[in-house]
Amino acid sequence: DVVMTQTPVSLSVSLGGQTSISCRSSQSLVHSNGNTYLYWYLQKPGQSLQLLIYKVSNRFSGVPDRFSGSGSGTDFTLKISRVEPEDLGVYYCYQGIHYPYTFGAGTKLELK
Amino acid sequence: EVQLQQSGPEVGRPGSSVKISCKASGYTFTDYVMNWVKQSPGQGLEWIGYIDPEYGRTDYAEKFKKKATLTADTSSNTAYIQLSSLTSEDTATYFCARDGYGTYWGQGTLVTVSS
Repeated sequence: DVVMTQTPVSLSVSLGGQTSISCRSSQSLVHSNGNTYLYWYLQKPGQSLQLLIYKVSNRFSGVPDRFSGSGSGTDFTLKISRVEPEDLGVYYCYQGIHYPYTFGAGTKLELK
Repeated sequence: EVQLQQSGPEVGRPGSSVKISCKASGYTFTDYVMNWVKQSPGQGLEWIGYIDPEYGRTDYAEKFKKKATLTADTSSNTAYIQLSSLTSEDTATYFCARDGYGTYWGQGTLVTVSS
């Protein structure tokens, strides 16, 4: 199975600050069609998951431009700028190209 | 508005089965596959498999092939997951999630295996 390694495990950030989360896959996530199937989700406390970013860098509808995704191949980054209280929770990366699809272990974003 | 409404918490005895539902609304049910994901404290998030409601085609992670059965009822726009031969390892929250991107998720259903 493809291993998705997220770092750090937890982050402490000030409101209005900026931070980033890294996700590394054990295999390339580039499909033969040229797309890279790497996604980012946020799970707020007590809630389900919500899609933030699809195919590395595309923000899902309604996601603020404070969130940005980048990377290629096996190395990916989610950046969050101007952190707001509603950004707190656990962030997961996910690969949707190699069976079985797999998630990272999560990065918990907390307030400093 | 797209909504995925899952059924309520379940308690199952070891060796028994449970069936969870995920009722879709706000879109054409047969236009998108439905994924199922398991979340447990010990294993994190695990993709179980998906079903294409239009054709009934399913695909499973190897680990769940003998554990989970995915079905869909197009007359009621509802997807189901049945978990069989329950053990303590199956205690978890199960989510349905629409399409390959996981654009919309159900609220989750807690399954507790207990005698």
